[in-house]
Amino acid sequence: EVQLVETGGGLIQPGGSLRLSCAASGFTVSDNYMSWVRQAPGKGLEWVSVIHSAGNTFYADSVKGRFTISRDISENTLFLQMNSLRAEDTAVYYCARASPGLITLNYWGQGTLVTVSS
Amino acid sequence: QSALTQPASVSGSPGQSITISCTGTSSDVGGYTFVSWYQQHPGKAPKLMIYDVSNRPSGVSNRFSGSKSGNTASLTISGLQAEDEADYYCSSFTSSSPWVFGTGTRVTVL
Repeated sequence: EVQLVETGGGLIQPGGSLRLSCAASGFTVSDNYMSWVRQAPGKGLEWVSVIHSAGNTFYADSVKGRFTISRDISENTLFLQMNSLRAEDTAVYYCARASPGLITLNYWGQGTLVTVSS
Repeated sequence: QSALTQPASVSGSPGQSITISCTGTSSDVGGYTFVSWYQQHPGKAPKLMIYDVSNRPSGVSNRFSGSKSGNTASLTISGLQAEDEADYYCSSFTSSSPWVFGTGTRVTVL
């Protein structure tokens, strides 16, 4: 069974850093496109970043230069390193998978809440 | 990349059919067949309902169907049920980023 479990969210001051983790089971992270999508309180979904199976990474303009997506093959885990956090980064962050051959996010984790506030 | 445009809300009575539109441009919806629809209940993660414009994942009711014409995609829910009350988001592959999402539509079952 495919499962994605995000951890690492919490309350952080503006300008601070946080690393989110997404532990995967039932499939191999490095064989899939893996993405982070966020949702601000009461707002819609916003794509944040993706890492391709080949290792290429892409970012939304709103986080480019501040966030870094990565993966650990041995731990089968996806990460999102978030630096220089701003109030507008406050959101639930979801980890999601696009199965091989699909250009759609067909598996999602339950999300982890990041709150940026002083 | 601007969000795709969806109506803020759509409502219908049980048993009726409703349609949610998703309007983009030739750089996203109109240029690719990679349009998806997600259902999201309050406090829950999004669930894929339609992918590649009109395909249903295994386990999704055939009451959900998708289509596309030009720069606008549509999701139709037939035989509306109470459990269909949720937020719905479209998404599309784009020429500048892997995915862009729609603004979201709240579906209310009257």
